[in-house]
Amino acid sequence: QQQVKQSPQSLIVQKGGISIINCAYENTAFDYFPWYQQFPGKGPALLIAIRPDVSEKKEGRFTISFNKSAKQFSLHIMDSQPGDSATYFCAASFLGNTGGFKTIFGAGTRLFVKA
Amino acid sequence: GAGVSQSPRYKVAKRGQDVALRCDPISGHVSLFWYQQALGQGPEFLTYFQNEAQLDKSGLPSDRFFAERPEGSVSTLKIQRTQQEDSAVYLCASSFGQTGSYGYTFGSGTRLTVV
Repeated sequence: QQQVKQSPQSLIVQKGGISIINCAYENTAFDYFPWYQQFPGKGPALLIAIRPDVSEKKEGRFTISFNKSAKQFSLHIMDSQPGDSATYFCAASFLGNTGGFKTIFGAGTRLFVKA
Repeated sequence: GAGVSQSPRYKVAKRGQDVALRCDPISGHVSLFWYQQALGQGPEFLTYFQNEAQLDKSGLPSDRFFAERPEGSVSTLKIQRTQQEDSAVYLCASSFGQTGSYGYTFGSGTRLTVV
């Protein structure tokens, strides 16, 4: 019930194209949905995040679309660039009953943007 | 400091050896998290501190794992009697808010290899 399922596992996109990564969740207690970008040898870095009362959020070339009823959300990267090549993780967070905040990560999508 | 600092960056331990991994969070960040990231997988929650209080340790895989944050800043993750299955990258993250709902800042991690 606490899983976050992410697809695809890997993605190859031409430069200038749109990269789309999808995630689904089960636990309705999740109330914050961040996306992280990770380069080899580095820790994940927060890219963009959304709360469930909003259906879409855009920051530059990155857009999150959120469908609360379907329990699905996705990341769109417009005009994809070779520098966007990285692993992307969707995540979902909730406040646990111990007062601690917990974030569950998807398994990741390895994106490669061809020049 | 400007970011979350983890040391050492790499650690090779013989099976059965004890190890200690250090995390220096961003100054003033209340929340601190430890995650374990296996190769090709997303980070998995280990434990969470709010200041010096360990509010959630439900993700610690066994009683060989122990974490502390005695003064509410630096944290240490200790693994006793290391096993091969402990090989992973251990990520530390901190957050300004008490709930972490603003997203985390991750360190670059400590890659632990147990031989």
